[in-house]
Amino acid sequence: AQSVTQLDSHVSVSEGTPVLLRCNYSSSYSPSLFWYVQHPNKGLQLLLKYTSAATLVKGINGFEAEFKKSETSFHLTKPSAHMSDAAEYFCVVSDKGSNYQLIWGAGTKLIIKP
Amino acid sequence: DAGVIQSPRHEVTEMGQEVTLRCKPISGHNSLFWYRQTMMRGLELLIYFNNNVPIDDSGMPEDRFSAKMPNASFSTLKIQPSEPRDSAVYFCASSFAGDSTDTQYFGPGTRLTVL
Repeated sequence: AQSVTQLDSHVSVSEGTPVLLRCNYSSSYSPSLFWYVQHPNKGLQLLLKYTSAATLVKGINGFEAEFKKSETSFHLTKPSAHMSDAAEYFCVVSDKGSNYQLIWGAGTKLIIKP
Repeated sequence: DAGVIQSPRHEVTEMGQEVTLRCKPISGHNSLFWYRQTMMRGLELLIYFNNNVPIDDSGMPEDRFSAKMPNASFSTLKIQPSEPRDSAVYFCASSFAGDSTDTQYFGPGTRLTVL
């Protein structure tokens, strides 16, 4: 069975410093992996997705994630945090076996300190 | 592209009333999903349609909940009668099932409060 673990429920960084949000997954298939972002009282926005074309995936707003099969990880990074990055971030794996089920991580709340 | 459209954005109703949530998926998408998000349970898949046909409704909480997709551009989620524990944010998402990445695109959600 597929699963997703987001290792931190909260991450706090200062504005202008790097961001690292950690995600590990387990999958029996060659997975599709996603990061979604949810700003307070807003909907879920696709940040980036891994489709097996390239292991380093660039997303919107300066975020990127690297797929590491040997470590079963898909960590999200950004070189320099901005106040507008404060939000909740979800790591998601697509369950190819079911053809549609998304397996959601519990979410990581990113807090940006001025 | 307008993205997934949901209405209303906010709904406040009293216990026992009927509530209807609406969704217009992205044009050309053939899969549609209804989710519910609460603090306690996170994001839950309620029902999944493919080509307007319900494929999996195992997430629908109980018979008070029903969903329809009469055509490729419109879906409804109905709760009758509503209860306070139904208070949540309801999201609609759509995707193109021929896309091997299964990317789902979400609407802005409907925040439902049942008093």
